[in-house]
Amino acid sequence: SQQGEEDPQALSIQEGENATMNCSYKTSINNLQWYRQNSGRGLVHLILIRSNEREKHSGRLRVTLDTSKKSSSLLITASRAADTASYFCATDEIAAGNKLTFGGGTRVLVKP
Amino acid sequence: DTAVSQTPKYLVTQMGNDKSIKCEQNLGHDTMYWYKQDSKKFLKIMFSYNNKELIINETVPNRFSPKSPDKAHLNLHINSLELGDSAVYFCASSQGGRYGYTFGSGTRLTVV
Repeated sequence: SQQGEEDPQALSIQEGENATMNCSYKTSINNLQWYRQNSGRGLVHLILIRSNEREKHSGRLRVTLDTSKKSSSLLITASRAADTASYFCATDEIAAGNKLTFGGGTRVLVKP
Repeated sequence: DTAVSQTPKYLVTQMGNDKSIKCEQNLGHDTMYWYKQDSKKFLKIMFSYNNKELIINETVPNRFSPKSPDKAHLNLHINSLELGDSAVYFCASSQGGRYGYTFGSGTRLTVV
């Protein structure tokens, strides 16, 4: 089974609304990262949150991490049509060495 | 200047053929990776090299052989291609465990 699992699998919102997606994982981590993937493109790193951090902001992105619940959330505020993409969480597991384990992604559609 | 570049972008080939995908990064990163993304968008690590040394080798058929001539290059050679090898293959690089990965734009391999 996957280390990271995103919820929901797909999300459709109107431009200007906020988009929230969640990620759950199973093992202890060094950090958790969020990536964006536009259709047919590579993944782009958005934000990294360390295991001793609870919240992080970057522009219109807000990420939270709850290590007791082994979960994270990504909030995109005031969404734009250009935010349409798949969003992946990835965990840097303590026991796994330097590798990222990705979840299945959330497909976000922002309608203009 | 492209940070992580992969060639070719598209590869269509017949079953049984041997093919290679090349990857180069100009970021000065020490670690490079190959990931496979299947048709359901699930990403799975295949290999990781740190400064030309293999450090991660997931359960990948031995038809897949990575080669790192120097720390800026990580190539992937695939022998006796099978239909199930059809996927998008991503190269990535990173510097240490505190930063995100930089991904290439992917190579879409189709085996017919």
